[in-house]
Amino acid sequence: DGGITQSPKYLFRKEGQNVTLSCEQNLNHDAMYWYRQDPGQGLRLIYYSQIVNDFQKGDIAEGYSVSREKKESFPLTVTSAQKNPTAFYLCASSSGGWETQYFGPGTRLLVL
Amino acid sequence: SQQGEEDPQALSIQEGENATMNCSYKTSINNLQWYRQNSGRGLVHLILIRSNEREKHSGRLRVTLDTSKKSSSLLITASRAADTASYFCATDHNNAGNMLTFGGGTRLMVKP
Repeated sequence: DGGITQSPKYLFRKEGQNVTLSCEQNLNHDAMYWYRQDPGQGLRLIYYSQIVNDFQKGDIAEGYSVSREKKESFPLTVTSAQKNPTAFYLCASSSGGWETQYFGPGTRLLVL
Repeated sequence: SQQGEEDPQALSIQEGENATMNCSYKTSINNLQWYRQNSGRGLVHLILIRSNEREKHSGRLRVTLDTSKKSSSLLITASRAADTASYFCATDHNNAGNMLTFGGGTRLMVKP
């Protein structure tokens, strides 16, 4: 069953805590992306990676970090420096360039 | 920064009616894509139209692209309650580093 998965579905963060959101794909895609979506809004790009061991900042990278050690995996860490982390986080992958992106089901991050 | 902007922001229609959503963008593009998002879920790709195409069909969906006006429209014919969702356009553009930029979306409600 090919696709892109995200875990957990819901995540709670305490003040000053770093949390990591998981994103895995078995579509053999080179490119992977992280987006943030606030209620009633569109998607804003946090980070993207076009190939293993390489990634670039998107429009709102401050307070976030990523790694791309394996083609299948692109975890996102929300650090304590991100002062307003409550949002819906979406991961996507594509074969690269400007082609169709395939999205995971999302992780909703809430602050305790 | 958002490249694509959808209009209207919200649309409410009766089942069986047609729904038209518009997307405008600012700089030249290679292609434009439309995605659908059910509440609390990931995005699903609907259709991609390239800059040298003027119209594309997929089932009850019809997409047009007018590069001279920098605009696109998505028409859903004979709408169903199950079409209730948010619809986003996404554009690439030549200086965007192989990224897609998503608009703020149109929230469509189809009443049974």
